[in-house]
Amino acid sequence: QVQLQESGPGLVKPSQTLSLTCTVSGDSISSGAYYWTWIRQPPGKGLEWIGYIYYTGFTYYNPSLQSRLTISVDTSKKLFSLRLTSVTAADTAVYYCARAWDYDNNGYYSFDSWGRGTLVTVSS
Amino acid sequence: DIQMTQSPSSLSASVGDRVTITCRASQDIDNYLAWFQQKPGKAPKSLIYAASSLQSGVPSKFSGSGSGTDFTLTISNLQPEDFATYYCQQYYSHPLTFGPGTKVDIK
Repeated sequence: QVQLQESGPGLVKPSQTLSLTCTVSGDSISSGAYYWTWIRQPPGKGLEWIGYIYYTGFTYYNPSLQSRLTISVDTSKKLFSLRLTSVTAADTAVYYCARAWDYDNNGYYSFDSWGRGTLVTVSS
Repeated sequence: DIQMTQSPSSLSASVGDRVTITCRASQDIDNYLAWFQQKPGKAPKSLIYAASSLQSGVPSKFSGSGSGTDFTLTISNLQPEDFATYYCQQYYSHPLTFGPGTKVDIK
C-alpha cells in the first residue's frame, strides 16, 4: 500500500520561497498510472488543487499559482517536490501530497491516496 | 474553470439516519466526480471515484450517483465515525476543483 509523507519547513517569511517534499513508499513513483499531486487547505477553509506531475516530469499547474509554482520529481529518490515563490500570508495552509490514479487507463485521474499533510505558516 | 457547489453546507443528523449530499458542477463533467471525507485535523480520505465507484476498503454504506452536472453522495446508517466534512471534486478538466464542503454533525 502506497504511503506519502510531506516534509519541509513549517514557517516561511513573506516574499520568500516555500519548498516541500513528498516521499513515496510502498509503490513505484515511475508507474505510468499515476500523477503525483499537491493540494492545500488554508486553516478553516476548503481544498485547493495546486498541481501535479507525471514521472516523466510533465506537469499541470493551477493557473492561479502557475507564475510562482514549480513541481519537480526525482524518481531515483522516489520523491516529488513543490516550490512556491514570493509567498504571502494567503499561502498559509496545510499542504497535502496525494496520488492521482488513472483507474480506467483513459487519461482521467482521481485521487486515491493522501499524505497526512504539513502546516506551512507564512509570517515574519 | 468548472465551479462546484454543494448543498446543504451543513446538516445535523442522528446515529442510524440516512443522509444525502448534493454536488453540482457548472458544466457537464460526465462522471468524472469524486467524493472525500475529512475529519478535523486529518487528511481527506478518498471515498468514491467515477461518481459511483467505491475506493478500495470503503464500506458499502457510502454510495454515489449522478452524471453530467448533478451528483449525490448518500450515507446509510450513520455512525459516530461518519460525522465529518464531505467534499466533491471534479477531475474532468484542469484546473481540478473542489466543492466547498458539507459538514455532517450530530443532532
